[in-house]
Amino acid sequence: DAKTTQPPSMDCAEGRAANLPCNHSTISGNEYVYWYRQIHSQGPQYIIHGLKNNETNEMASLIITEDRKSSTLILPHATLRDTAVYYCIVRVAPYGGSQGNLIFGKGTKLSVKP
Amino acid sequence: EAGVTQSPTHLIKTRGQQATLRCSPISGHTSVYWYQQALGLGLQFLLWYDEGEERNRGNFPPRFSGRQFPNYSSELNVNALELEDSALYLCASSPGGSTSGGEFFGPGTRLTVL
Repeated sequence: DAKTTQPPSMDCAEGRAANLPCNHSTISGNEYVYWYRQIHSQGPQYIIHGLKNNETNEMASLIITEDRKSSTLILPHATLRDTAVYYCIVRVAPYGGSQGNLIFGKGTKLSVKP
Repeated sequence: EAGVTQSPTHLIKTRGQQATLRCSPISGHTSVYWYQQALGLGLQFLLWYDEGEERNRGNFPPRFSGRQFPNYSSELNVNALELEDSALYLCASSPGGSTSGGEFFGPGTRLTVL
């Protein structure tokens, strides 16, 4: 079962920041927080991941609370093309170990509106 | 750099037949993952191969099988097809070993069982 809780849906106005929350209260010390998104009928796309520090890349920022029980994915200037289902996943990295695969929950359907 | 490729794009079979789906990972990636996404359902993990060996298997019956070839490409076989096998089958690849980061997904094969 997925170890994360996300709101089923969110709306965001085009050009505004989209803040997607995720709860992972049972996260272990060696588990990372990963974010993927899936645009309709395409393969999921990796966005970002982090352990405990905030992370930023060209796509998004990831803010992880100090107790690591929740995180927020921030898309700083959402566009219509960011409309997708966003998945927050906790997993042990590196890929090796007993579970290298991803366990997807239901994710958050983000709708960016003009 | 070429991404993960999958073939065929679409596949139509009838009940009881066998289906073979193929995946070519990104050059240098040794791990291949297979996921099933049935309509209205989430992404379900099927199989994980690394260095030619099956590393983990999801909760699917034995008629779902696969293999990984010496060039790290992979094949998913589904025997005795059932109507509920109709789904988008996604392949993902990642580097093996102790690197972190995200998997890269292919565009998927849409399997329709009539």
